[in-house]
Amino acid sequence: EAQVTQNPRYLITVTGKKLTVTCSQNMNHEYMSWYRQDPGLGLRQIYYSMNVEVTDKGDVPEGYKVSRKEKRNFPLILESPSPNQTSLYFCASSLRMTGIPYQPQHFGDGTRLSIL
Amino acid sequence: DAKTTQPPSMDCAEGRAANLPCNHSTISGNEYVYWYRQIHSQGPQYIIHGLKNNETNEMASLIITEDRKSSTLILPHATLRDTAVYYCIVRALGGTASKLTFGTGTRLQVTL
Repeated sequence: EAQVTQNPRYLITVTGKKLTVTCSQNMNHEYMSWYRQDPGLGLRQIYYSMNVEVTDKGDVPEGYKVSRKEKRNFPLILESPSPNQTSLYFCASSLRMTGIPYQPQHFGDGTRLSIL
Repeated sequence: DAKTTQPPSMDCAEGRAANLPCNHSTISGNEYVYWYRQIHSQGPQYIIHGLKNNETNEMASLIITEDRKSSTLILPHATLRDTAVYYCIVRALGGTASKLTFGTGTRLQVTL
């Protein structure tokens, strides 16, 4: 089954303790992205990757790192989490983001992070 | 990307058509209209997109006005499973556009 898998689905942790949220897709998609969703603010893009070894900042990259060493994986790293990073996080992938025809984004089921 | 305006909430009886409006009066000629929905904090799901012609797929129909300043997403026979937040997004296809900008959407409640 074609899917985007995020782990963990839920995590409660403390300020300053490094954590990684994994994202994996099995559709051979070139494009992957991370979003965070907060009440009243909609989904905001954190980082994206157009292909292997190509990553770039989105709208809210501060406090986050990513890497894209393999096509299928795009982990989100919080080196020193803080309470303002408490949020619902989504990973998404798309076959590509340029050109025609439009390739819709496929989203994972989300990771709810609570930073105390 | 052009700004979109959607009503914050709508109700629809099960089995009836749900018509969700979206205003995008500043849309430019190369911008498409996309619709996604999000069911109760799950990941958003793509529904449909269009440029200027009406579009239909297995999930919904998209009606875009001739001047392209507004559009309507139609779910022809809404079910309880269609209860979700629906997002109308306007953006150009291709180029360096690399993200979807989700607004606050319309919360559709389908009732018995």
